[in-house]
Amino acid sequence: AQSVSQHNHHVILSEAASLELGCNYSYGGTVNLFWYVQYPGQHLQLLLKYFSGDPLVKGIKGFEAEFIKSKFSFNLRKPSVQWSDTAEYFCAVNTPNNAGNMLTFGGGTRLMVKP
Amino acid sequence: DAMVIQNPRYQVTQFGKPVTLSCSQTLNHNVMYWYQQKSSQAPKLLFHYYDKDFNNEADTPDNFQSRRPNTSFCFLDIRSPGLGDTAMYLCATSRDLSQGHGPQHFGDGTRLSIL
Repeated sequence: AQSVSQHNHHVILSEAASLELGCNYSYGGTVNLFWYVQYPGQHLQLLLKYFSGDPLVKGIKGFEAEFIKSKFSFNLRKPSVQWSDTAEYFCAVNTPNNAGNMLTFGGGTRLMVKP
Repeated sequence: DAMVIQNPRYQVTQFGKPVTLSCSQTLNHNVMYWYQQKSSQAPKLLFHYYDKDFNNEADTPDNFQSRRPNTSFCFLDIRSPGLGDTAMYLCATSRDLSQGHGPQHFGDGTRLSIL
């Protein structure tokens, strides 16, 4: 069974600081990888996804993530965070041959950006 | 706009009193999911429908049931809710392999409180 680990449960940054949130998964085969964001009181929204191709994926709102297969990692980055990036971030994985497209989520990282 | 709509947004019910949460979609996705998300935790998959085929997760409590009368609608029924069922319930949809894999699209969630 696949599992997803997000090692940082809480991150506090000042505006303009750079962000990197770690995500590691355990599954030996091909995976699809996702980052979702959940702003306070709102639903989960897709930030970016990796299915295949260029391992450096660019998403919305200036976020990017890099898939490093050898490290089973898919870390999320943003060069300069804003107060409006305060939210909870979830990494998720599924396997392409999973007809039901089921996701396994990491535990989430709660980001607070101080103005 | 095509979307996933959950009703109600907030639900308060008494311990042991049956409750039904609803989800509708205009995306014409053939897979629908129900997740439970407790405070400060990752979403946990309860079950999903692949077309009309119901797939229950092994650790989903027996008092959680679901119905999918047609492609657009899916219901979560909690027969005898306990205090531990207080959570946000998320509905999501996605395409499956036959429709071309895609990310899951989430509704705004129903925040359920059991008193």
